[in-house]
Amino acid sequence: DAGITQSPRHKVTETGTPVTLRCHQTENHRYMYWYRQDPGHGLRLIHYSYGVKDTDKGEVSDGYSVSRSKTEDFLLTLESATSSQTSVYFCAIRSFEGSEAFFGQGTRLTVV
Amino acid sequence: AQTVTQSQPEMSVQEAETVTLSCTYDTSESDYYLFWYKQPPSRQMILVIRQEAYKQQNATENRFSVNFQKAAKSFSLKISDSQLGDAAMYFCAYRSDDAGGTSYGKLTFGQGTILTVHP
Repeated sequence: DAGITQSPRHKVTETGTPVTLRCHQTENHRYMYWYRQDPGHGLRLIHYSYGVKDTDKGEVSDGYSVSRSKTEDFLLTLESATSSQTSVYFCAIRSFEGSEAFFGQGTRLTVV
Repeated sequence: AQTVTQSQPEMSVQEAETVTLSCTYDTSESDYYLFWYKQPPSRQMILVIRQEAYKQQNATENRFSVNFQKAAKSFSLKISDSQLGDAAMYFCAYRSDDAGGTSYGKLTFGQGTILTVHP
């Protein structure tokens, strides 16, 4: 157990509503990531963080924002959810250069 | 940018037999890491095996081994003595070397291969 928790695990929301997904870790890992998984695309990087308040965009960042105000929490926000953001979202954590990433259990988000 | 391609959307194997999953990648870098992840129906992402590009020896983890061909940019996974518990989605992934401190450990994934194991 790498001490990583995603919440919620499942969510159904309406188009146009804001949604925030939370990734919480308990072991002071420096790096945190948000990926989305879609059929035919594998996992794609949305945003990542390399420290408190240090974040950057990934491959599919449009429509998403993130915040990391403390080491243990990395929040992913969909400001106005769209149906194209229906997906499974994974958070991952990593301690230092060269170490492996550990993934959370994923959040299934459905936008109707 | 790096790309990873898994050309087999689905594969199947009989229990106790051997199966090979294919992965190719494109990169201009010389130092990098390659991974195979397993995703069972529980959705958990499980690291199966990793390969450092600077190592010529193919990585092995129990029944799992890889065939790493750097010049061909090929990285296949062989599962020997397949078991019912091996049934899952398998992802190939690429990560740049971290030595320069600029890659931040970002992973690039292939599309995935669904492996079915028949009893």
